[in-house]
Amino acid sequence: DTAVSQTPKYLVTQMGNDKSIKCEQNLGHDTMYWYKQDSKKFLKIMFSYNNKELIINETVPNRFSPKSPDKAHLNLHINSLELGDSAVYFCASSPGMVAFFGQGTRLTVV
Amino acid sequence: AQSVAQPEDQVNVAEGNPLTVKCTYSVSGNPYLFWYVQYPNRGLQFLLKYITGDNLVKGSYGFEAEFNKSQTSFHLKKPSALVSDSALYFCAVRDGSSNTGKLIFGQGTTLQVKP
Repeated sequence: DTAVSQTPKYLVTQMGNDKSIKCEQNLGHDTMYWYKQDSKKFLKIMFSYNNKELIINETVPNRFSPKSPDKAHLNLHINSLELGDSAVYFCASSPGMVAFFGQGTRLTVV
Repeated sequence: AQSVAQPEDQVNVAEGNPLTVKCTYSVSGNPYLFWYVQYPNRGLQFLLKYITGDNLVKGSYGFEAEFNKSQTSFHLKKPSALVSDSALYFCAVRDGSSNTGKLIFGQGTTLQVKP
C-alpha cells in the first residue's frame, strides 16, 4: 500500500555509466516531482510534471532527463554519471498543496 | 524571490521539555508554509501546513506551529519532547510566483532529544 515508491533504494555505480531511477505513485495525484538532497542535506527541486507535461525544469545538467509515461510514473534517467551526482534523490507527488515523498534513492558514484 | 531560513543547525532538548525549531521566510504574496520531518534513511513526512486562518496550526505527532506575519516566522513547537522525535526537520514555503507547487526548503534543523 506504499503511496510513493522509488526503485532502487540504493544505487552504486561507476563514473560514466548511465542509470535510471523509477518512481510510481498510487495516490491518483496529477503532479510529480524530483528533488535532490545533497551531502549537507539541502533539498532542491529538479523537475516537475503535471499530467505527463513538464512544468518545472530547474538548472539541472542536461545529462538528467525525466520521463513520465503516464501520470502515475516519473522516472529519472542520468547519463554519463559524475562523482558530483552522488546524492539522495526523492520523488514526490501532490494533489495540490501537500507533497508526499518517496523513501529516496541513495546514488553513489565511484 | 522566495526563501526560507532555519537559523539553527541543531537543537538539543531533554525528553519531556518543550521544544522549538525556528523558521523564518521571505515571500511575495501570501505565504503557504509547511513543516516536514525526515527520519534517518527515510523520506520526508508531512507534519503540518499553514495556508490561511488560525495562526496556530496543529499537526501530526503532537506538533504545532505558530504563524507570525509581522515577524515572518513559522516556528515548530511541541509541549513535551520525546526521544523518538529526534530527526531532521525542514521548513518549506510553496513558490507563490508560479502555480507549479514547487517547494523551497530551509537548510534543515537536526533535533536531538536526550533521555
